[in-house]
Amino acid sequence: DQQVKQNSPSLSVQEGRISILNCDYTNSMFDYFLWYKKYPAEGPTFLISISSIKDKNEDGRFTVFLNKSAKHLSLHIVPSQPGDSAVYFCAASLTGANNLFFGTGTRLTVIP
Amino acid sequence: DSGVTQTPKHLITATGQRVTLRCSPRSGDLSVYWYQQSLDQGLQFLIQYYNGEERAKGNILERFSAQQFPDLHSELNLSSLELGDSALYFCASSARQATNYGYTFGSGTRLTVV
Repeated sequence: DQQVKQNSPSLSVQEGRISILNCDYTNSMFDYFLWYKKYPAEGPTFLISISSIKDKNEDGRFTVFLNKSAKHLSLHIVPSQPGDSAVYFCAASLTGANNLFFGTGTRLTVIP
Repeated sequence: DSGVTQTPKHLITATGQRVTLRCSPRSGDLSVYWYQQSLDQGLQFLIQYYNGEERAKGNILERFSAQQFPDLHSELNLSSLELGDSALYFCASSARQATNYGYTFGSGTRLTVV
């Protein structure tokens, strides 16, 4: 039972344009959401997070938006750069939980 | 370098065999998590240890077991291996027991069962 879903396996974007990666979840009790980025032959690295009490969190070129009523979050990358090409995982957690729930990932390719 | 060390990086073994994957957490982190990533699958949580004690179990098969030693390194033992066990196995660590602040991953062990 996949509680966190990333329905787009891949996304291609031109350099300088906006990349929008989407994530849906089913468990309304999730109260913290994270995005991880993964390059080949490396482990996932933390990118940005958002608490469920917020609807937006920004860090440089990266912004995460949370729509709790729709159980949907998205990661915006503006402007996209070739170095952003990677697999992006969405993850969610419950307060006090011992593990994160991950989506299946979206492979972003930024075309120079 | 994330500070989480996993060995070996690659492992090829035959069906029916047993292997041990090793993880050294980031300095100061007490929690170790094991995740499995199969082809086209997300990261599936297997098991968590905190300061030597098992804290949570996810979708871990009975053929798999893990432990965390007094020096906090952890080992994941996979036995009676099947072709479907071929996957990337990640270890992650965190300072806290809960995960609201995420954790740090190692670079993974790629297991191929032939």
